[in-house]
Amino acid sequence: QVQLQESGPGLVKPSETLSLTCAVSGYSIRSGYWWGWIRQPPGKGLEWIGTIYNSGNTFYNPSLKTRVSISLDTSKNQFSLRLTSVTAADTAVYYCARRTFGVPFDPWGQGILVTVSS
Amino acid sequence: DIQMTQSPSSLSASVGDSVTITCRASQGINGWLAWYQQKPGKAPKSLISAASNLQSGVPSRFSGSGSGTDFTLTIGGLQPEDFATYYCQQYNVYPLTFGQGTQLEIK
Repeated sequence: QVQLQESGPGLVKPSETLSLTCAVSGYSIRSGYWWGWIRQPPGKGLEWIGTIYNSGNTFYNPSLKTRVSISLDTSKNQFSLRLTSVTAADTAVYYCARRTFGVPFDPWGQGILVTVSS
Repeated sequence: DIQMTQSPSSLSASVGDSVTITCRASQGINGWLAWYQQKPGKAPKSLISAASNLQSGVPSRFSGSGSGTDFTLTIGGLQPEDFATYYCQQYNVYPLTFGQGTQLEIK
């Protein structure tokens, strides 16, 4: 079955760039589906960050649009998140997940806690 | 952006009870409404898609209904493993938005 696994630094300094990767197994990301990032600050709710289609088209949350980018690496069967100029408000568990038209996010990765602190 | 408002924010119930959680969208979402269950320290799990379609492997005691802007998640006959936080999400238009969550606790 399809599995997703987030990886990246657990600690990022303020003003620097957060970079995470989601490795996909059990399915070729070039074949279809849409791939997304969602985050959850400690003790709070879920916030959609953005989605990339297998075609490469991207959609971002307007609240983050000037700082975020999502890309595909089909050679490694993974997709990535970059969030620039981070502050403490970007401290959260970051999840990657798969969806498509008419279907919500499923499955999800296990999540990775990223703390922004000097 | 479409605002998703869940009620109640928290709920206490006993094993065997039936409970209903409500989700209201600030505008119509054409039925593109999902429900997720999240347990502490775990990723959300998809329960229901398109307002009322049970995802594969989800127990039949979970059901969803609604249309337009008003939707409900009902859990009939609560089991110990059902005590968790539940989120609704609209996926009709970007930006995708979630409700603030409903924490279901054991009474």
